[in-house]
Order: sequence, then structure tokens, then C-alpha cells
Amino acid sequence: DAGVIQSPRHEVTEMGQEVTLRCKPISGHNSLFWYRQTMMRGLELLIYFNNNVPIDDSGMPEDRFSAKMPNASFSTLKIQPSEPRDSAVYFCASTVLAGDNEQFFGPGTRLTVL
Amino acid sequence: KQEVTQIPAALSVPEGENLVLNCSFTDSAIYNLQWFRQDPGKGLTSLLLIQSSQREQTSGRLNASLDKSSGRSTLYIAASQPGDSATYLCAVWSYKYIFGTGTRLKVLA
Repeated sequence: DAGVIQSPRHEVTEMGQEVTLRCKPISGHNSLFWYRQTMMRGLELLIYFNNNVPIDDSGMPEDRFSAKMPNASFSTLKIQPSEPRDSAVYFCASTVLAGDNEQFFGPGTRLTVL
Repeated sequence: KQEVTQIPAALSVPEGENLVLNCSFTDSAIYNLQWFRQDPGKGLTSLLLIQSSQREQTSGRLNASLDKSSGRSTLYIAASQPGDSATYLCAVWSYKYIFGTGTRLKVLA
């Protein structure tokens, strides 16, 4: 199994630009999570999906952030417009079923907004 | 609101020592607790998952225990090695995952 796949691995963009991060969960996993990690705030859950349906998006910082999961094998996290304070490492993780099983993390996308 | 704390924030030990990492949580109504390691610039690697009905889990030199009533979990690493150097994070599931801030471990050769 290839594990959780994220792209791009690094993204450098200018303030105001749209950023789209992509995630492919492990095949057979029904829950997908998006996290953000910074030195100041640690690892924060942004949103998670069960069976492609958003369950808890209370961690999404503001309306500039949106996430979709159009099918079981693909999810996106979009930031529009991006700001320098969005600079962080964004992780995607998946599990068979949220709350029951181990989470498996992708390698992350390091986002820098200039 | 669930809060997860890991103490100490950093730890240095000589190779070969047995060590214990701590994870505390404020709300005992959790479904499971998972321990991870994170190497610099990398993603998180799952180490152990303890369900709320379990008291401990073991994998090789690692042993994790869970005491829900006191809101604590410990990760025991036996015979530490330089390759164990990493940041260790715990996460509890109570309707969503809440992560601790981690313990940065350095094992000196």
C-alpha cells in the first residue's frame, strides 16, 4: 500500500493567491482528516470526513479555508485568498473509521505564503 | 473542552536508558489514545493505539498504558537507542482527535 499521498510537498505562493492542497487516503479507509502544524499552535485538526461527508469543521480557521471530498479516494483543502499567517505544514491522515482505528498520516505539505 | 498535555517538553538521555513519556488529558470520556513519533521534517508515524477498554499495549521495546480515571497515559521505551530520537505525540479521540504538544526526545550515543 502506498500510504496516504499528499501533493504538492512544498508550496510557495504570494499573499492573496489561491492555494489547493491535495490528498489521497489509503484505499479502504472511510475517514479522512486535515491538520495544520505550526511551532506556536502545534498540531490542530481542521476538518474531518466520514464516508466523504464533512463531520466536524470547527477547526477551520475562517471562511478563506474550504475542504472537499468528492469521492473516497480524493480530498482537497483550499485557501483563498492566502495570507502569510497560513504558512504551516498541512497534514492529511486517514483511518478505517474515525474513533475506532489507528490514524495514518501523509508526509505533509509545507506551505509558505510570502 | 478536552486539553492534552505532555511533560516534559524535551528530554535527553544516554543510550540504553529506560524512559517514560507522559500524556495527560482533562476529560476522561475518551474512546482511544494513540501515540505517534515524528522525525524532523516528516509526517507522524503511528506507534500504538489503546482503546478505552484496554489498560496497555505493547510493540517491541514500546509499552503504552492508559488510566482513564486519572486522565493519564505513559509511553515506556526500554533500552533507548539513538534512533529513538524524535518528537513523541499523544492524541485522544473524544469525537475528534486532540493532540498533545509533544515531547522532544534525544538519545545520546
